[in-house]
Parts: sequence; structure tokens; C-alpha cells
Amino acid sequence: EAQVTQNPRYLITVTGKKLTVTCSQNMNHEYMSWYRQDPGLGLRQIYYSMNVEVTDKGDVPEGYKVSRKEKRNFPLILESPSPNQTSLYFCASNPIWSAEQFFGPGTRLTVL
Amino acid sequence: DAKTTQPPSMDCAEGRAANLPCNHSTISGNEYVYWYRQIHSQGPQYIIHGLKNNETNEMASLIITEDRKSSTLILPHATLRDTAVYYCIVRVDEADKLIFGTGTRLQVFP
Repeated sequence: EAQVTQNPRYLITVTGKKLTVTCSQNMNHEYMSWYRQDPGLGLRQIYYSMNVEVTDKGDVPEGYKVSRKEKRNFPLILESPSPNQTSLYFCASNPIWSAEQFFGPGTRLTVL
Repeated sequence: DAKTTQPPSMDCAEGRAANLPCNHSTISGNEYVYWYRQIHSQGPQYIIHGLKNNETNEMASLIITEDRKSSTLILPHATLRDTAVYYCIVRVDEADKLIFGTGTRLQVFP
């Protein structure tokens, strides 16, 4: 089944403890991105990647890192999480030639 | 900032057509109109997109005005499972980012 998977789906952590949210897609898509969703603010793009080893900042990149060593994986790294990064996170992918972006199921992160 | 404006909420009776409006008065000539929906904190789901012609697929129809300053998403026979937040987005091409506003919360009632 074609899909975007994220792990973990739920995470509660403490300030300053490094964490990684994984994202993987099995559709051979070139384009991948991360969004965060907060009440009243809609979805905002954090980082995106046009292809392997090509990443760029979105609208709210502060406090996040990403890497794209393989086409299928696009992990989101929080080196030192803070409470203002408590949010619902979505990974998405699409092939370069298509308008349809596929979203993962989301990761609900709470930073205490 | 989102380039679109949508009503915050709408209701629709099950089985009736749901018509969701969107204003995009500053749209550029090369920008497409996209519609996504999000059901209760799940990942957003692509519905349809168009440039200037009306479009239809198995999920919905998209009507774009001739001046392209507004559009309407039509769900021809709304069901309870269509209850969701619907986002109207303008975007240049596949490499351009999606900018989600706050969307329209559609409530379909029995």
C-alpha cells in the first residue's frame, strides 16, 4: 500500500532531550516536507526537500533540523526541544510531476 | 500569509450538495487553486486542483470564476464522512509549498 509513515505517533518528552521523528514513504517521491499544526494557525511548513541531499527551510525552521540521505526517509530532528514545539507534526511527499501531496498520519508531540 | 479567504464554518444536510466558497483575489496567472481536506487531526487529503477551467473528479467538482478571483468546491452528495476542515490553497507548481490557512469547517448533519 502506498503510504507515508511517521514514528512515533505520540511522544511526551522533556525540555532539552534530543528527539527524532521519522518519516518514510514507499512511493519513490522526490519531494518531501514537514509541517506543524497549531490551533488557530493552520499548517505551517518547517522544512522541505526536493531530492536526496537537497533540503531547504520552510516558514518556521527554527529549532529543527532535517536530513535526506535516502529518497524514502526524511527525519525531523529536535536537538533541544522546548515547550513551544509542542504541536501536531505532519510529513508529506509528492512526486515532482504531481500536484497531489500525500500526508502521513501525524505525530503529536508534547514537550514538558 | 495565506492568499485565500474562506468562511470559518458551514453546515450541510446529508445527501445535499455542499458548496464551499474561496476568495483568491490576488491570484497570479500561473497559480493553481488546490483543495485539501483534513478529517479530525488526520493528515490532510488532496481533493482536486485547477488553473482556469472547471474540474471534476470522483470526489468533487471545482468551479473557478472567469476572472479567477474566486472558486467553489462542490461535494455533490455530502455524507457524514465529509465532515472535515476544507482548505483552499493557491500554488504555483508542484515544487511550491502549500500554505494552509484556517480553512472552512464543514459539518454535515443527518
